[in-house]
Amino acid sequence: GQNIDQPTEMTATEGAIVQINCTYQTSGFNGLFWYQQHAGEAPTFLSYNVLDGLEEKGRFSSFLSRSKGYSYLLLKELQMKDSASYLCAVRVMNDMRFGAGTRLTVKP
Amino acid sequence: DSGVTQTPKHLITATGQRVTLRCSPRSGDLSVYWYQQSLDQGLQFLIQYYNGEERAKGNILERFSAQQFPDLHSELNLSSLELGDSALYFCASSDSGTNNEQFFGPGTRLTVL
Repeated sequence: GQNIDQPTEMTATEGAIVQINCTYQTSGFNGLFWYQQHAGEAPTFLSYNVLDGLEEKGRFSSFLSRSKGYSYLLLKELQMKDSASYLCAVRVMNDMRFGAGTRLTVKP
Repeated sequence: DSGVTQTPKHLITATGQRVTLRCSPRSGDLSVYWYQQSLDQGLQFLIQYYNGEERAKGNILERFSAQQFPDLHSELNLSSLELGDSALYFCASSDSGTNNEQFFGPGTRLTVL
């Protein structure tokens, strides 16, 4: 089967750093994506990893280890507006498989 | 604003009916993707078109079909609707067939009564 697992909920404090993990077991791998989705809104693209290592983009970084089937999204200097769901997705051939999402709540 | 438009925003219909959802991609984007998001299933990839041709198929039911027209807009047709089809339907577009970055439209909320 195809499994993409991420924690259901996380809470962090404004100004802190939070790491959201994603593990996957898929029959094939052609890239891993992170999306942010605010309640009632469309997902927005955050990052794409296809090779092992860290991709940094402002306050957000994403890491991939293909041998471990593992990725994380790192959010630094948290702001209240970062409260949202974060979706991990794996591309298998041309199919996209999404995790259930991690709901992050940032508290003052 | 992603530049992707979807109509209608909301749609309420009855079981057994057929509806059509419409999507216009960002200017210059050749690829269109359709997704379904429901509370119990999360975000599910349905189908992708690239420059008028079907490129990839995900968890799309046989009651659902889509097409992409010469002007690159796309339509998703849902027929013999069931209560479980109630969901948000998103369209996304990208500039190539290898969707490294997709831009999502605001979605169509479908309610089947």
